[in-house]
Amino acid sequence: GQQVMQIPQYQHVQEGEDFTTYCNSSTTLSNIQWYKQRPGGHPVFLIQLVKSGEVKKQKRLTFQFGEAKKNSSLHITATQTTDVGTYFCAGARGGYNKLIFGAGTRLAVHP
Amino acid sequence: DTAVSQTPKYLVTQMGNDKSIKCEQNLGHDTMYWYKQDSKKFLKIMFSYNNKELIINETVPNRFSPKSPDKAHLNLHINSLELGDSAVYFCASSQDRGNSGANVLTFGAGSRLTVL
Repeated sequence: GQQVMQIPQYQHVQEGEDFTTYCNSSTTLSNIQWYKQRPGGHPVFLIQLVKSGEVKKQKRLTFQFGEAKKNSSLHITATQTTDVGTYFCAGARGGYNKLIFGAGTRLAVHP
Repeated sequence: DTAVSQTPKYLVTQMGNDKSIKCEQNLGHDTMYWYKQDSKKFLKIMFSYNNKELIINETVPNRFSPKSPDKAHLNLHINSLELGDSAVYFCASSQDRGNSGANVLTFGAGSRLTVL
């Protein structure tokens, strides 16, 4: 079945360092979404990418969707302690919105 | 007003018991979901309802039975609870966007179930 792999599982950075998490699918995706879950919280939608090669930015966050629509990345520039949490990618192949979530990357930021 | 609210927030119970978790959304969304998040943070879809109709039913034991009395509510009943059922259960909802892209999920705060 469809799988969405996400790496790394954990990432510890010093405040001010950059951070990247990668997402790979075994199959071509119709679109990909990114969510953030703060410790003890619930996943919150960040962004959706639909087009091949698409790049979107939200302040210090940059999201990319691969040309083959099989991979995606989230890059955070100059991390802050407020960036702490688990970042999930979620891929869909169309149909009734069966989003398959990656395992998530847990980000810890040390001040 | 909370967009997706689920109760209870915490639930501690003994093995073999039956329990229910309730979910309500006031966003006017057409589709509702139940996700299970285990201790390793894996988020796995369990069920999805679109306008009260079951559309996604993953490989979930028969002990789990969802019910959607109307499109704003989706409840989850679990029979004969087992230790492995301990997890955080998230309700979510989305508005059907048709061919405009996958539906964006709005999650509830989660219900942490602990089976002793």
